Amino acid sequence: GAGVSQSPSNKVTEKGKDVELRCDPISGHTALYWYRQSLGQGLEFLIYFQGNSAPDKSGLPSDRFSAERTGGSVSTLTIQRTQQEDSAVYLCASSLGSASSGNTIYFGEGSWLTVV
Amino acid sequence: AQRVTQPEKLLSVFKGAPVELKCNYSYSGSPELFWYVQYSRQRLQLLLRHISRESIKGFTADLNKGETSFHLKKPFAQEEDSAMYYCALTDTDKLIFGTGTRLQVFP
Repeated sequence: GAGVSQSPSNKVTEKGKDVELRCDPISGHTALYWYRQSLGQGLEFLIYFQGNSAPDKSGLPSDRFSAERTGGSVSTLTIQRTQQEDSAVYLCASSLGSASSGNTIYFGEGSWLTVV
Repeated sequence: AQRVTQPEKLLSVFKGAPVELKCNYSYSGSPELFWYVQYSRQRLQLLLRHISRESIKGFTADLNKGETSFHLKKPFAQEEDSAMYYCALTDTDKLIFGTGTRLQVFP
């Protein structure tokens, strides 16, 4: 396993539908992050996992957004009742330990979500 | 609140010209600062971090605590430097990013 893997790479969904985005971090990485990248907004932090716990979910924009991580590995970001403003690239990243400990964060290629 | 500001959305230069991508931050404490780069059709990757005080691909960045800046510089730009550049800082256990600057280097 080379790097962080995300699926799907592209998703087009109808407004109001639910979507799930998946992230496979680099093996052995305990820290996992979700970011949202949209035009003109840069990278917005969504949520941070350490193991299976989410000590910082301050960036989730609304209660339509949720994420979980199981087995200290795979994570799923779920968006319920999608809206057009949810259209963006959702990036997953992982690191050996937390960013505050000087660990390099490695990013996946992203899941491009379009809500029509 | 912790914040990273990149005032330029787009910076265009000719090959061989000097480049400076601006980054200012607000942070209470001693921040750790980074530059990340995203080349076309590639994933976001770390370019350099201030604590390493290294030069990567000819780029350097100096942390100026008085001006709260961490500008990225290269004396002679190359066409392959064309990319999106993001400045970031560590806030507790996560990175906070600026809005990014697109660098275009023309031949």
